Amino acid sequence: KAGVTQTPRYLIKTRGQQVTLSCSPISGHRSVSWYQQTPGQGLQFLFEYFSETQRNKGNFPGRFSGRQFSNSRSEMNVSTLELGDSALYLCASSLKRGVYEQYFGPGTRLTVT
Amino acid sequence: AQSVTQPDIHITVSEGASLELRCNYSYGATPYLFWYVQSPGQGLQLLLKYFSGDTLVQGIKGFEAEFKRSQSSFNLRKPSVHWSDAAEYFCAVADGSSNTGKLIFGQGTTLQVKP
Repeated sequence: KAGVTQTPRYLIKTRGQQVTLSCSPISGHRSVSWYQQTPGQGLQFLFEYFSETQRNKGNFPGRFSGRQFSNSRSEMNVSTLELGDSALYLCASSLKRGVYEQYFGPGTRLTVT
Repeated sequence: AQSVTQPDIHITVSEGASLELRCNYSYGATPYLFWYVQSPGQGLQLLLKYFSGDTLVQGIKGFEAEFKRSQSSFNLRKPSVHWSDAAEYFCAVADGSSNTGKLIFGQGTTLQVKP
């Protein structure tokens, strides 16, 4: 079974631009969560989607948003990029909603210049 | 608020030696605990998890962890380390009584293996 895939793997953007990252969960998994990883703040929860609805959101500004499609694929969007948004963005999928083991993709490395 | 502490930022062990990575959590209800490993440039791989039951859990790659509620700890162990174990290790906790999969991660421990 294929794992979690994320595209693109690397991205360079300029301050003020917006970006969309994509995540395809493991086949049959219905829950998708997003995390931001930076050297200073570590791994921080962004949001969780299940059945096309955002179920939980971390402490991030409204510039960070996401959505989930009927096939469970998910996208996250960051508008008006700031230098501090440079990070590895990780997507994780799990079989159901709630506390189940989460399987992570390789991440998208976003660099904001 | 939930929190996870990994007291050791960096650990160096010799190949073949035993390993213990420490993890302490602060959580009052039903903690669900996980250990993940991350190699450079990679995502996180789940090593093992604890939800309930036997407090000693076995994982992949020869790792095990022991849940000690009285000490709020979930330490990761391996009897004999291999050079390929060099990576960053993360302990994480989730709220087992809620209907959310939100994970709270520790800051990570970088493991270096000496030949």
